[in-house]
Amino acid sequence: QVQLVQSGAEVKKPGASVRVSCKALGHTSTNFYLHWIRQAPGQGLEWMGIITPSGGSTSYAQRFEGRLTLTTDTAASTVYMDLTRLTSEDTAVYYCATVPYGVLIAAMDVWGQGTSVTVSS
Amino acid sequence: EIALTQTPLSSPVTLGQPASISCRSSQSLAHSDGNTYLSWLQQRPGQPPRLLIYKISNRFSGVPDRFSGSGAGTDFTLKISRVEPEDVGLYYCMQLTQFPPTFGQGTKLEIK
Repeated sequence: QVQLVQSGAEVKKPGASVRVSCKALGHTSTNFYLHWIRQAPGQGLEWMGIITPSGGSTSYAQRFEGRLTLTTDTAASTVYMDLTRLTSEDTAVYYCATVPYGVLIAAMDVWGQGTSVTVSS
Repeated sequence: EIALTQTPLSSPVTLGQPASISCRSSQSLAHSDGNTYLSWLQQRPGQPPRLLIYKISNRFSGVPDRFSGSGAGTDFTLKISRVEPEDVGLYYCMQLTQFPPTFGQGTKLEIK
């Protein structure tokens, strides 16, 4: 059973940076894309970016360009999300989710449990 | 960027009765490869989203057959044939046809 396990909740001050990790358990290969999505309190889902764990290729939503960095540690089956220059508007639950390669499913089939990030002075 | 508009935003339903959620796209979600990458997610209170339906009408593993998806082009529908208590939560449509991926605003399903 494939599972994504994320790091624990974070509380940060405005202007700080946060790193959230997402570890893939049970994957026998890296044949998937790893997306990051966030959900502000009482709000909907917002796509942030994507990384290809096998090669490290990334693409980010325009609104996060320059603040968001996704990296991968293939040996540890872990992807990291770094978000800098935090403001209160970054307070949200952050999720990672996989999309398998190919066209068979082509949807976000496995989700992490979510990581709460609170930005407050 | 493709915009997805869901209606209704809130749906009070009687247990055992059907429910329907619409998702309209600002442009066709038909991909040049012949597939349409429209999926539906369920988010129960306090839980991460869960995949229900992919490529318009395919139920994901473990999803009860009371859930069904239909549609084409720009208009899509999620139907629940008989609402159960565990169906309470938020429902989102999302598209992966065109970059960047986008989500509908979400529809809150609640019991009357």
